[in-house]
Amino acid sequence: SQQGEEDPQALSIQEGENATMNCSYKTSINNLQWYRQNSGRGLVHLILIRSNEREKHSGRLRVTLDTSKKSSSLLITASRAADTASYFCATDGDFNKFYFGSGTKLNVKP
Amino acid sequence: EAGVAQSPRYKIIEKRQSVAFWCNPISGHATLYWYQQILGQGPKLLIQFQNNGVVDDSQLPKDRFSAERLKGVDSTLKIQPAKLEDSAVYLCASSSGLAGGETQYFGPGTRLLVL
Repeated sequence: SQQGEEDPQALSIQEGENATMNCSYKTSINNLQWYRQNSGRGLVHLILIRSNEREKHSGRLRVTLDTSKKSSSLLITASRAADTASYFCATDGDFNKFYFGSGTKLNVKP
Repeated sequence: EAGVAQSPRYKIIEKRQSVAFWCNPISGHATLYWYQQILGQGPKLLIQFQNNGVVDDSQLPKDRFSAERLKGVDSTLKIQPAKLEDSAVYLCASSSGLAGGETQYFGPGTRLLVL
């Protein structure tokens, strides 16, 4: 399976701290994306990183990609209570077909 | 820009009954996806359409699940007959095309409970 796997499964931090989530996948990819899902809601796209990129930033988000290790990390800096959600990585191969990981559940305590 | 619409939001049925979900993607989006998300897991792709053609349905349990996208716009996903293990959230998503790395826009999902 090409499905990504996130680590840790759950993470609890205090507001203001940084949160780091990791994603590992099994086969070569074209792109890797990160999505956020608030409880009971649909998924929201956060950031995309292409296979020829190593790092990307968007606001408080920083994503890295290491294709040699087949892994990616998502860093959320200065976390807020509103960042509490599940975070999923999604890898895509042919035909824009996505494989989602099992997610990291982040809890940011105020 | 209106987002992806799904209905109903919630559905409770008994096993062996049938159920249908509806999705209206973002206007102009060629690609439409149906995902199944079981509690505590990530979304699993069931079927992917480009316009009204099926790109991938390799993970769709075809003995009980069917989907169509008439006229390449909205889509319906049907389960007949339902099993207890079909209890999940069914997510619809759309993207503008088949180019690599396109963002998928998700609807709010339909939460199905099979008793």
